[in-house]
Amino acid sequence: NAGVTQTPKFRVLKTGQSMTLLCAQDMNHEYMYWYRQDPGMGLRLIHYSVGEGTTAKGEVPDGYNVSRLKKQNFLLGLESAAPSQTSVYFCASRIGTGNTEAFFGQGTRLTVV
Amino acid sequence: ELKVEQNPLFLSMQEGKNYTIYCNYSTTSDRLYWYRQDPGKSLESLFVLLSNGAVKQEGRLMASLDTKARLSTLHITAAVHDLSATYFCAVDQAGNTPLVFGKGTRLSVIA
Repeated sequence: NAGVTQTPKFRVLKTGQSMTLLCAQDMNHEYMYWYRQDPGMGLRLIHYSVGEGTTAKGEVPDGYNVSRLKKQNFLLGLESAAPSQTSVYFCASRIGTGNTEAFFGQGTRLTVV
Repeated sequence: ELKVEQNPLFLSMQEGKNYTIYCNYSTTSDRLYWYRQDPGKSLESLFVLLSNGAVKQEGRLMASLDTKARLSTLHITAAVHDLSATYFCAVDQAGNTPLVFGKGTRLSVIA
């Protein structure tokens, strides 16, 4: 049981480049989330999805786009990377209704130079 | 807007001592989650608290929830080095709302 898998684990981008982070879960969860973690800031929500084909903005959505074309996958895109997007990105998923904890992927460490 | 505050943000404890981490939140909720994160690792679920007065214990950690005070505590009993980690609390509300996290408490247990 793989749980939540993020690809890639590490990436270095130049300013202005684009990339897509992939999150895949094999638990048939409805809800999926993208957070970023920065020192002293905790985890901040970027975008989230409550089901296939749906997405919503979180606390810090600017500079990111997402898509949930398949229930098991949630993609996070950076169209034109900026140094301020240097961070550790975590994907998470949970069953559907509330009252349950979220399960996290192993994280993607992104550096924008 | 739901806000979650933890204190302290940094905690250095001696082995064998007891201490409590506090988690306050700003709007009504009866659902609170505690996570642990080791350096360079992902977040691991510790406790799920779903009602006023809920108490859960695992080893040297005990978590409780007071929804009237909008407060959860994570109590550490007789700390050991293996408990060194960052602990996060998170809150959500009824419906499809996502988890909102506190900034975390970095715990260091020293001999």
